[in-house]
Amino acid sequence: QKEVEQNSGPLSVPEGAIASLNCTYSDRGSQSFFWYRQYSGKSPELIMFIYSNGDKEDGRFTAQLNKASQYVSLLIRDSQPSDSATYLCANWEGFQKLVFGTGTRLLVSP
Amino acid sequence: DVKVTQSSRYLVKRTGEKVFLECVQDMDHENMFWYRQDPGLGLRLIYFSYDVKMKEKGDIPEGYSVSREKKERFSLILESASTNQTSMYLCASAQSHNEQFFGPGTRLTVL
Repeated sequence: QKEVEQNSGPLSVPEGAIASLNCTYSDRGSQSFFWYRQYSGKSPELIMFIYSNGDKEDGRFTAQLNKASQYVSLLIRDSQPSDSATYLCANWEGFQKLVFGTGTRLLVSP
Repeated sequence: DVKVTQSSRYLVKRTGEKVFLECVQDMDHENMFWYRQDPGLGLRLIYFSYDVKMKEKGDIPEGYSVSREKKERFSLILESASTNQTSMYLCASAQSHNEQFFGPGTRLTVL
């Protein structure tokens, strides 16, 4: 069973700060990585995906992938209270299923 | 607009009842999934299917079965509902190595 690990949090940051969320994975063969955001009572929604080593930026979000160290991170710049949610990291195990971490709860205080 | 739909948002059933949860996707995806989500336990995979009539057990298949007779539809069946199956059930679909899309979820309460 391949694993994806995240710190459950909560991670608390003040409004306007950078939130840094981290994830490690065990499957060295993983090629694709995803960050989902889940608000309480709602289903997860994709915010970022990354396939290559390095950084990928999309608005206030930056995903970072380091395959040698087997970690992927998500940076949220200028954090807003509306960013308060649980963030799930995931990667594909083979061709058949996505493996999710348990999620990190982020709290952004005004 | 891509979509995964689930038959009910809220469902209340009694212990021992047979329960059907339906999921339909309109993206022609090969892979479909059923999860349950409980506070503090994250997403737990119940069953998944990578093709019509194919099914694989996930991490917690006990007490559940599934059916995939058509590519777009994946059903989760609770043969005899129990109170410990009270949970949020999420269906999802995906093409391999791509984004997984989730349905809105069904909050099932078993009394």
